[in-house]
Amino acid sequence: DAKTTQPNSMESNEEEPVHLPCNHSTISGTDYIHWYRQLPSQGPEYVIHGLTSNVNNRMASLAIAEDRKSSTLILHRATLRDAAVYYCILVSGNQFYFGTGTSLTVIP
Amino acid sequence: SAVISQKPSRDICQRGTSLTIQCQVDSQVTMMFWYRQQPGQSLTLIATANQGSEATYESGFVIDKFPISRPNLTFSTLTVSNMSPEDSSIYLCSVSSGSGAYNEQFFGPGTRLTVL
Repeated sequence: DAKTTQPNSMESNEEEPVHLPCNHSTISGTDYIHWYRQLPSQGPEYVIHGLTSNVNNRMASLAIAEDRKSSTLILHRATLRDAAVYYCILVSGNQFYFGTGTSLTVIP
Repeated sequence: SAVISQKPSRDICQRGTSLTIQCQVDSQVTMMFWYRQQPGQSLTLIATANQGSEATYESGFVIDKFPISRPNLTFSTLTVSNMSPEDSSIYLCSVSSGSGAYNEQFFGPGTRLTVL
């Protein structure tokens, strides 16, 4: 299973954009890049995923480097409800292998 | 999407006993997964449970310790056997929306287990 590297923690001011980086230098051509987040005392929830092209949805945007060895999750306006642990996961089959994730703190 | 419920939501157990955790999905799904999340840690995949076949366990997890049942397409159980304090964790089940790597997973709320 391919590995991902994320900063342990990040802080953001409320209503400002947040860029959460993820390095995945050993990614293979068939790996999808998934992002999930886990709010306190809850199970993880889907945020976004992509393969090669940048992706947007109502929650966030995903920017994927041209060589696919890194990606960035973008929250356009952080709210207090976005405080969570964000996981970047490479998926080639059906199994998810979680890394350590980034704990995001949103400052009012 | 899929809505997943787990029972019990939490339990406190004595060492040496066993606990069975139930996972119920509101729709029929082929692939279900069980995870463990130790205190302050990330999630670790225990096994994949597909209906109609034996569960597939990840390295470090064995059937004798974590037997899994998958009797139909909406239900699964995970038993934590002969528990020790090291088994104190949150146990989560999830389902996949399909069989490809592009499919998202939906997670249950978890079962918080404390072993004394």
